[in-house]
Amino acid sequence: ETGVTQSPTHLIKTRGQQVTLRCSSQSGHNTVSWYQQALGQGPQFIFQYYREEENGRGNFPPRFSGLQFPNYSSELNVNALELDDSALYLCASSLEWTDYGYTFGSGTRLTVV
Amino acid sequence: DAKTTQPNSMESNEEEPVHLPCNHSTISGTDYIHWYRQLPSQGPEYVIHGLTSNVNNRMASLAIAEDRKSSTLILHRATLRDAAVYYCILTPNTGNQFYFGTGTSLTVIP
Repeated sequence: ETGVTQSPTHLIKTRGQQVTLRCSSQSGHNTVSWYQQALGQGPQFIFQYYREEENGRGNFPPRFSGLQFPNYSSELNVNALELDDSALYLCASSLEWTDYGYTFGSGTRLTVV
Repeated sequence: DAKTTQPNSMESNEEEPVHLPCNHSTISGTDYIHWYRQLPSQGPEYVIHGLTSNVNNRMASLAIAEDRKSSTLILHRATLRDAAVYYCILTPNTGNQFYFGTGTSLTVIP
């Protein structure tokens, strides 16, 4: 069991650029969720993928998109970056989409300048 | 998504019990109550969850009021490693898409 791994750990981008964040799920987990955490706030749900299909989405615009691969690793893509996108992006995996025991990664700190 | 209310911050002395309260007066009959905690520079960590009955695990206990409008997370003996932000979250029984609030920041005093 290696846990959830996210890359990169830190990233600086310019407003208007695009970014891809990566997540490797815990072994055996088929569900991955992404969260955005602004400084001093709780994590906000972006979307969830279950067996490569989107399984729910929070209140985020379409420029936030994702993918889940057959090995259940995942990507979060954000287009047309805005300053307010600066945050910690967290990936969490679970055994099934009904399983309440999430395992979170340590996150990617994105700074948009 | 049902709302929870928690104190912004609490303090506890090391090796003493800690009771972290959570109010959820609009909880529905099928909502589960979850607790996660987030240590500095880490992602959230699952602590415990329950529906109606009190629950115990190796990390903590969850006491749920009879009317389910409130719950309390109990850490039996606080250690310095328990200093974290504790989140109380409600979810329906149809999935695990969590809506976090701002949580309670617990300080443990040596």
